[in-house]
Amino acid sequence: DIQMTQSPSTLSASVGDRVTITCRASQSISSWLAWYQQKPGKAPKLLIYQASSLESGVPSRFSGSGSGTEFTLTISSLQADDFATYYCQQYNSYWTFGQGTKVEIK
Amino acid sequence: QVQLVQSGAELKKPGSSVKVSCKASGGTFSSYGINWVRQAPGQGLEWVGGTIPIFGNPKYAQKFQGRVTLTADESTSTAYMQLSSLRPEDTAIYYCARDRLPAALHDTSDLWGQGTMVTVSS
Repeated sequence: DIQMTQSPSTLSASVGDRVTITCRASQSISSWLAWYQQKPGKAPKLLIYQASSLESGVPSRFSGSGSGTEFTLTISSLQADDFATYYCQQYNSYWTFGQGTKVEIK
Repeated sequence: QVQLVQSGAELKKPGSSVKVSCKASGGTFSSYGINWVRQAPGQGLEWVGGTIPIFGNPKYAQKFQGRVTLTADESTSTAYMQLSSLRPEDTAIYYCARDRLPAALHDTSDLWGQGTMVTVSS
């Protein structure tokens, strides 16, 4: 099974900050990686697919990069609506999620 | 616009089974993969399994092999997840999620159901 390791687990930031979350796969997954945002009581929302493709309707301040085993999600200027938990997900072989990164207000 | 509408909350006894439904409202899904993901209270996301109904080839996470069965009724555009031999640690929200693209070998999901809370307690 492919393991996904996200860091950090928690991130404290302010509105306007640049935020980066990292995800590492236990083996190469090419670019078969997605990023999701989840708010309390809601289903996950797709932000990025195929490592760097922005899902329709998602603000351009979100971007993804990486391939192979190392990936990042960047929020260029954090907005109030962005405080949430973020998950990476590999879909090279079935699905596996990272453990999540909670973005909190500093 | 297609929506995934899941069945309501369930309260089950340990050792029993639960069957959760996921209906595609406003469209069909037979050529799209349908995956099931669960989230225990305060925890992360965990993949349970997935299937492409038109192919009928369910795949299950190792952890749930032998306890979970995924099926689909194409005539009603409804997918089902049955989990048996329930234990308290199966208490979670169970989500269905449809792949972005039809019949894709590698795909993630852009469409999720609202979730079904399954509580296992004596």
